[in-house]
Amino acid sequence: NAGVTQTPKFRILKIGQSMTLQCAQDMNHNYMYWYRQDPGMGLKLIYYSVGAGITDKGEVPNGYNVSRSTTEDFPLRLELAAPSQTSVYFCASTGQGGEQYFGPGTRLTVT
Amino acid sequence: EDQVTQSPEALRLQEGESSSLNCSYTVSGLRGLFWYRQDPGKGPEFLFTLYSAGEEKEKERLKATLTKKESFLHITAPKPEDSATYLCAVCPIGGSTLGRLYFGRGTQLTVWP
Repeated sequence: NAGVTQTPKFRILKIGQSMTLQCAQDMNHNYMYWYRQDPGMGLKLIYYSVGAGITDKGEVPNGYNVSRSTTEDFPLRLELAAPSQTSVYFCASTGQGGEQYFGPGTRLTVT
Repeated sequence: EDQVTQSPEALRLQEGESSSLNCSYTVSGLRGLFWYRQDPGKGPEFLFTLYSAGEEKEKERLKATLTKKESFLHITAPKPEDSATYLCAVCPIGGSTLGRLYFGRGTQLTVWP
C-alpha cells in the first residue's frame, strides 16, 4: 500500500493564481481530511469528507474548495491565491481505530 | 480556545537522559487521544492511540499514558534518532465533525549525543 499520497511536493504561486492540490489514498478509508500547518501552530482543519459525494467545512475553509467523486481521491482547490495561504498542506484519512494517516505534505508559497 | 496544550514547547536532552512530554486536554468527553511523531519536511506519523484513563502503550523507547486530564509520552534512554516534533491530538465524543482530531502545537525534541 502506498498509503496517502500528495502532489505536488512544492509549489510557488503568484497572488491571484489558482491551483489544485491532489490527494489519494489506497486504504479504502471513507473519512478524509485537509489540514494546513503554519510554523508554531497546530494543524488546522480546512475541509473534510465522510465519503464520496459528501464534504463539509472545517475550521478554516475560506479561500478553499473540495470535491470527493471517488473514495480514493480528495483534491483541494485554491482559488485566487493570497499570501495568507502560504503554508504546508496535509491530507489525511482515518483508519478503523480513529487514527489518522497523513500524506507527505505540499509546501505552498504565495508571492 | 485551545483544547489541547502541549508542554514544553521544546526539550533538549542528552542521549540516555530520560524525560516526559505532557499533553493536557479540556474536552468534556474523550473518544481517543493520539500521539504522532513528525520529522522536518514530513507528514505526522501515527504512534499511539489511548482510549481510557489508566491505559498505557509502549513502542521501543516510548511509552504513552493517559489520565482523565492529560497524557504523558515518556522517553526512556533517548537516542539522537528520537529527535522530532511530537504531536498530541484528541478526538472528542460528539461534535460536528465525525472523527475530527484537535491537535496541540507539539513539543520539539532534540537529543544530542
